[in-house]
Amino acid sequence: GEDVEQSLFLSVREGDSSVINCTYTDSSSTYLYWYKQEPGAGLQLLTYIFSNMDMKQDQRLTVLLNKKDKHLSLRIADTQTGDSAIYFCAESGGYQKVTFGTGTKLQVIP
Amino acid sequence: EAQVTQNPRYLITVTGKKLTVTCSQNMNHEYMSWYRQDPGLGLRQIYYSMNVEVTDKGDVPEGYKVSRKEKRNFPLILESPSPNQTSLYFCASSHLAGGNEQYFGPGTRLTVT
Repeated sequence: GEDVEQSLFLSVREGDSSVINCTYTDSSSTYLYWYKQEPGAGLQLLTYIFSNMDMKQDQRLTVLLNKKDKHLSLRIADTQTGDSAIYFCAESGGYQKVTFGTGTKLQVIP
Repeated sequence: EAQVTQNPRYLITVTGKKLTVTCSQNMNHEYMSWYRQDPGLGLRQIYYSMNVEVTDKGDVPEGYKVSRKEKRNFPLILESPSPNQTSLYFCASSHLAGGNEQYFGPGTRLTVT
């Protein structure tokens, strides 16, 4: 079945850029997503990218997609303490099923 | 306010005692789904539904049942809970459209002793 992998932990200093990486196995993935989970809460969609795009930028967030290598990354510029959370990569081939990664816990050091 | 609600938020129960976790959404979404979140394993899909009376298994359906009799509700049923079902459960919903942004409920923390 589909598999989505992420590193479990990332620590950065406030003001630096954070880069969270994700790899996936399903070559038929149509949409790739980044969700954020703050402590004690459900997941919230941060951004998504369609598979025919290479890059998407939204304010401090930049998503890069390397479809050949099945690699997705999320860059957060000027990381703030409020960005501390768990970030989930996810993929879907349409609307039937969404597969999530294990999540990367981002710790921002003041 | 557009939202997904789950009840209860916390539940401690004993092995074998049937329980139901309710999920309701007020956004007229066609698609609803249940996930469990476990440390180091991320979110794993249990069941999903693409519309009323249409349900399908996700990656980890064993030990769970669901029903979709109304569009807004998607209860998760554990007929005979076991300790390995101790987890954090999330319900989510979305429209059936490209992009499929899922809206998540606040989660239900279940402990089975």
